[in-house]
Amino acid sequence: NAGVMQNPRHLVRRRGQEARLRCSPMKGHSHVYWYRQLPEEGLKFMVYLQKENIIDESGMPKERFSAEFPKEGPSILRIQQVVRGDSAAYFCASSPQNTEAFFGQGTRLTVV
Amino acid sequence: AQSVTQLGSHVSVSEGALVLLRCNYSSSVPPYLFWYVQYPNQGLQLLLKYTSAATLVKGINGFEAEFKKSETSFHLTKPSAHMSDAAEYFCAVSGTGNEKLTFGTGTRLTIIP
Repeated sequence: NAGVMQNPRHLVRRRGQEARLRCSPMKGHSHVYWYRQLPEEGLKFMVYLQKENIIDESGMPKERFSAEFPKEGPSILRIQQVVRGDSAAYFCASSPQNTEAFFGQGTRLTVV
Repeated sequence: AQSVTQLGSHVSVSEGALVLLRCNYSSSVPPYLFWYVQYPNQGLQLLLKYTSAATLVKGINGFEAEFKKSETSFHLTKPSAHMSDAAEYFCAVSGTGNEKLTFGTGTRLTIIP
């Protein structure tokens, strides 16, 4: 059973471009969470999704950020018109119907 | 609402010495508590979790943590530090099983040879 797979591991974008981060949950996991880790800080919750539904997006910036978890395929975190302040590590976690969330290795986004 | 405070952003211990990483939480509901470890440029790995069963929780790599409701604490300990324990450690809290995790700011553990 492969773990949570995130790609790409590293992503460089110029200011104003779009960034697409992908997350494939563990097999059998229907809950996906996205977190952002700024340099020298802890992880901050962004959004919680189940298949085709956003359950909690209280941590998502109101503009430029969106997330989806379609019926088929990976979850996508999309950042439009990136700015330098979006540079961070973005982690995805998945869980089944219990308490334990398994984390991916993250995507490190650098905006230049 | 929940929050986590990790006292000490950096902790250094000698190899073979006791490791103690502190975590205090605040939660309006009975909490689920977690400790995660992060190695450089890696994701988070679950060390252990408290889910309202036994108050002393044993995890991987010889770590354990004790839930003390009266002190709202969930400190992480290991009797004897190993060089491979050098990493960043995060305490986290959630209100139920399938809720978001609220993380502390982390403690970077350095092991002195």
